[in-house]
Amino acid sequence: AQSVTQLDSQVPVFEEAPVELRCNYSSSVSVYLFWYVQYPNQGLQLLLKYLSGSTLVKGINGFEAEFNKSQTSFHLRKPSVHISDTAEYFCAVSPTSTGGFKTIFGAGTRLFVKA
Amino acid sequence: GAVVSQHPSRVICKSGTSVKIECRSLDFQATTMFWYRQFPKKSLMLMATSNEGSKATYEQGVEKDKFLINHASLTLSTLTVTSAHPEDSSFYICSAEGTSGNLTDTQYFGPGTRLTVL
Repeated sequence: AQSVTQLDSQVPVFEEAPVELRCNYSSSVSVYLFWYVQYPNQGLQLLLKYLSGSTLVKGINGFEAEFNKSQTSFHLRKPSVHISDTAEYFCAVSPTSTGGFKTIFGAGTRLFVKA
Repeated sequence: GAVVSQHPSRVICKSGTSVKIECRSLDFQATTMFWYRQFPKKSLMLMATSNEGSKATYEQGVEKDKFLINHASLTLSTLTVTSAHPEDSSFYICSAEGTSGNLTDTQYFGPGTRLTVL
């Protein structure tokens, strides 16, 4: 079984400041790792994913994440946030054996960007 | 890019009635679709995996007779909430898997359906 822990339920930050959203996972099998963003009353949008290779993954909207196997972490970062980045962010994992589709989500972190 | 649609986007129904939610892959064939449920300010919970032409696989704790899933074609899966009750009120989201290329590049989520049971 897999589980995902997002350590912060809410992260307030001022505009143009850097931000890190933390994610740790637990799994007895190899997994793919994902970050999704959800704007109010909308579905999910993929920010980035780690499948293999370089542990630093760059995604859309200036976000990046680093896979750390020893710490089983996949923290999301952005060097300078905008008001429009205010949303719910979900870390997720999926066993590689399922092709990456049986996705297990973390509880989410609400990023609130203040002017 | 690929698009997954859901219909309706929002539905309000009376307790005891059944509600059908459609999930369509608009420009690709989806052999597998997934149904998720999201409670307010909570994460998404995988309910079931829907495979075209076969029975859905439900996650532990999800009532099969309550949440009927039909995947009749490669572009359509439906979730029917039978005899809905207020506790079934939630945000239901589907996702679809493509049939070609790197599978992990081709999972797309629908915009969700907000169900409110009065």
